[in-house]
Amino acid sequence: AQTVTQSQPEMSVQEAETVTLSCTYDTSESDYYLFWYKQPPSRQMILVIRQEAYKQQNATENRFSVNFQKAAKSFSLKISDSQLGDAAMYFCAYRRGNNDMRFGAGTRLTVKP
Amino acid sequence: DTGVSQNPRHKITKRGQNVTFRCDPISEHNRLYWYRQTLGQGPEFLTYFQNEAQLEKSRLLSDRFSAERPKGSFSTLEIQRTEQGDSAMYLCASSLVIAVLNEQFFGPGTRLTVL
Repeated sequence: AQTVTQSQPEMSVQEAETVTLSCTYDTSESDYYLFWYKQPPSRQMILVIRQEAYKQQNATENRFSVNFQKAAKSFSLKISDSQLGDAAMYFCAYRRGNNDMRFGAGTRLTVKP
Repeated sequence: DTGVSQNPRHKITKRGQNVTFRCDPISEHNRLYWYRQTLGQGPEFLTYFQNEAQLEKSRLLSDRFSAERPKGSFSTLEIQRTEQGDSAMYLCASSLVIAVLNEQFFGPGTRLTVL
């Protein structure tokens, strides 16, 4: 079974600084997808960034980038130039093919002004 | 189209009552997923549909839970004889499966409280 582990229940960052959220996963598959979702308080989840396992290049979306280490089964999210609006729960998720997603327990990010 | 919608947003019920939630996916999306999220946890997969066919059900989905997507558009999730352990946020997501990489778009969820 695929499992996703987020070892940081809470993280804090100063506005304009950089923070890295950790995620590890367990799978025997070679082809899969990894995602980071953001869930602001009382608002719906939105996709932040995704990574196809067959791609060696790390995905980047503006201030968000990932460090994908396939052999280590690690998928961390780096948020640069943190903004107050980045405060939210962040979930790492794994998906094999077109199947359902498996989520980690989440990391609550606080941004201090 | 403004995205995935779910109704009601909040539901309070007494133990033993039946409840039904509705999800309206993004138009033309052929996949629809239900997830359950308890406090402090990530969403857990319950079931998904492709068009009107229910293709997979999690073992989390006890026989008190039933989901339908009768015309391949909206979906309902019913919980019979609710228990306090059913209290959670129920999330719906939809996607368009035209390629392997398809993004799931989430609705705002229905928060269920069982007293």
